[in-house]
Amino acid sequence: ETGVTQTPRHLVMGMTNKKSLKCEQHLGHNAMYWYKQSAKKPLELMFVYSLEERVENNSVPSRFSPECPNSSHLFLHLHTLQPEDSALYLCASSPSAGLTSYNEQFFGPGTRLTVL
Amino acid sequence: AQSVAQPEDQVNVAEGNPLTVKCTYSVSGNPYLFWYVQYPNRGLQFLLKYITGDNLVKGSYGFEAEFNKSQTSFHLKKPSALVSDSALYFCAVRDGQAGTALIFGKGTTLSVSS
Repeated sequence: ETGVTQTPRHLVMGMTNKKSLKCEQHLGHNAMYWYKQSAKKPLELMFVYSLEERVENNSVPSRFSPECPNSSHLFLHLHTLQPEDSALYLCASSPSAGLTSYNEQFFGPGTRLTVL
Repeated sequence: AQSVAQPEDQVNVAEGNPLTVKCTYSVSGNPYLFWYVQYPNRGLQFLLKYITGDNLVKGSYGFEAEFNKSQTSFHLKKPSALVSDSALYFCAVRDGQAGTALIFGKGTTLSVSS
């Protein structure tokens, strides 16, 4: 799992707080992803970046704001979240984000977010 | 629209017995199929994938999966289960022709008893 790292591993925040999740990949990949994992639900793709450009945004509320300053780093900025946003947030990377790509994705360990 | 289904929330097997975790899919084009495993407090780990070629795909940790086009299935199998195989398993599909994002199933919890 050292290929993709995420910090912090756990985060508790109030609804008025602003926080950021960080993801870093050490695999030389060109694509990075944010997923939301809630109990008993399929993984929800939130954002996709390819070569630092956002290529997909799956109707995610504006209280989630991604940032990809370079191909190795990905952030998810959080503000005025709701309790239903509590979940495990997973970052992943792959060699490319081409939508016909057959590359597998490599996942980080996730950040467990609790919104009070 | 593409979709993937894992009909079982939980599969229970005894150690040493064969295991099967089921997955069915729906895509309009050629399916790219993946299996991932998630251990507690960990991210997803890639197990195997089917893109083209042989219908039987071998992957990590002794797992294999069989692609069945007529039944639109991609079941995960292992001849002899280990207690350490206990985890959450995800099937995922992408339409290789339509160029769509990877879609994950809701996951199946595998519990292997000693």
